[in-house]
Parts: sequence; structure tokens; C-alpha cells
Amino acid sequence: SAVISQKPSRDICQRGTSLTIQCQVDSQVTMMFWYRQQPGQSLTLIATANQGSEATYESGFVIDKFPISRPNLTFSTLTVSNMSPEDSSIYLCSVGLFGTGGYTGELFFGEGSRLTVL
Amino acid sequence: AQTVTQSQPEMSVQEAETVTLSCTYDTSENNYYLFWYKQPPSRQMILVIRQEAYKQQNATENRFSVNFQKAAKSFSLKISDSQLGDTAMYFCAFAGGTSYGKLTFGQGTILTVHP
Repeated sequence: SAVISQKPSRDICQRGTSLTIQCQVDSQVTMMFWYRQQPGQSLTLIATANQGSEATYESGFVIDKFPISRPNLTFSTLTVSNMSPEDSSIYLCSVGLFGTGGYTGELFFGEGSRLTVL
Repeated sequence: AQTVTQSQPEMSVQEAETVTLSCTYDTSENNYYLFWYKQPPSRQMILVIRQEAYKQQNATENRFSVNFQKAAKSFSLKISDSQLGDTAMYFCAFAGGTSYGKLTFGQGTILTVHP
């Protein structure tokens, strides 16, 4: 398993501002991802955070709005830029691990960062 | 593209009883993984149970078991001896064999366990 710490846990932001969320993992991991959970909704993958290169974004998400950094195998940041009330969501960092038998398929999640944009 | 459907937005059960949550999925892949995740009010996503598609035997984890019907693309979760701590949102999720972390989640089912 992996222990994933996210900061901030929650924040209230003003429209038009940007906020950076940090994700720290207690071990080196190859696969790291950022998901969004809008109020009362399911989780949607924003992007794959690639160590040492640009993140890979899913359809509907762009780098200008959600820039991601991943300087090493234990840390990543997600910035939500020029926020609007529609960005009010829980943002979750997740990692995938390889077991002794190879890739297990499962993800471990941080506790999430709840952003409210006024 | 894969889709995951949970047709029960809300379910309730009395403590100590058994409840089954439904999930169906659609995929053209032959090798994949299926999961049930639990999200209590604390927001922490917790893996409840995992099933590899190539395994015919249904996965079991203590009070939690699945009924995996590959041909029907159905993956239901049975919770036996329900406890108050089981109250949470439950998500069914799919991962293709080569998608490496790209989980597709269902809409979720809110389960409430009543004393």
C-alpha cells in the first residue's frame, strides 16, 4: 500500500484566482494520477502525472487550466487556474502500485482536497 | 470506451442484514480489473474488493463478496452482516488490462445502514 498526503485538505477560493494542490507519497511510485469529483458526482480522471515530462491529459482537460508538475517519483502538484464556481470539487491524488505478481490494477487515493470557489 | 453503470442511487439496510449493490459495465477488452471502492463522509477512497477478469472464482474479503458474471458484464457487491460503519458511497470501477491506473467509475450508490 501507499500513504498519500494532500495539501490543502480544503480551501475557499475567490473567482479568478489559482490554487496549487500538493500530493506527497511515502514511497517512490511510477504511476500517479489526478482525479476530480464534482459535488455529488463520480470521479473523473484529469491527467496522468509523468515524472520528468509533461502530464497526459484526458479529454476535456487542458494544461492551461490544470497545470501539473511531477519533479520526482514521490511528489506532484496540480494547479487549478483562473477558478470559477464550476471548479468547486474534490481533487484527489492517486497512485498505482506493482505487487509481486505485477500490476495489480488498483489505485490508492489521498484524502482529497475540497475546493469551494465563490 | 468503457462505461460503468450503477443503477441504484441509494440503498438502505438494517444492521446485521445483507445488501447487494449492482454494477454493470461495457467493454471490448478481454483482460481487465473490476473494483468496488468505498467513500465514507471523510472522503477517503478505500478499496473494498478487487476482481481480475480472467479469474472465474468470485472474490471475497471477509463480509464482502462479489458476483462476477463476465458474459453478462455484471459485477455486484454483497455485504453480509451489515455494520453501521459500512455507511458510505460505494463506487464500482473498471480498469482495462493496459490502462494502468485509468479507472472508469460508476455513478455511485449511497448505502445507509440503519441501527
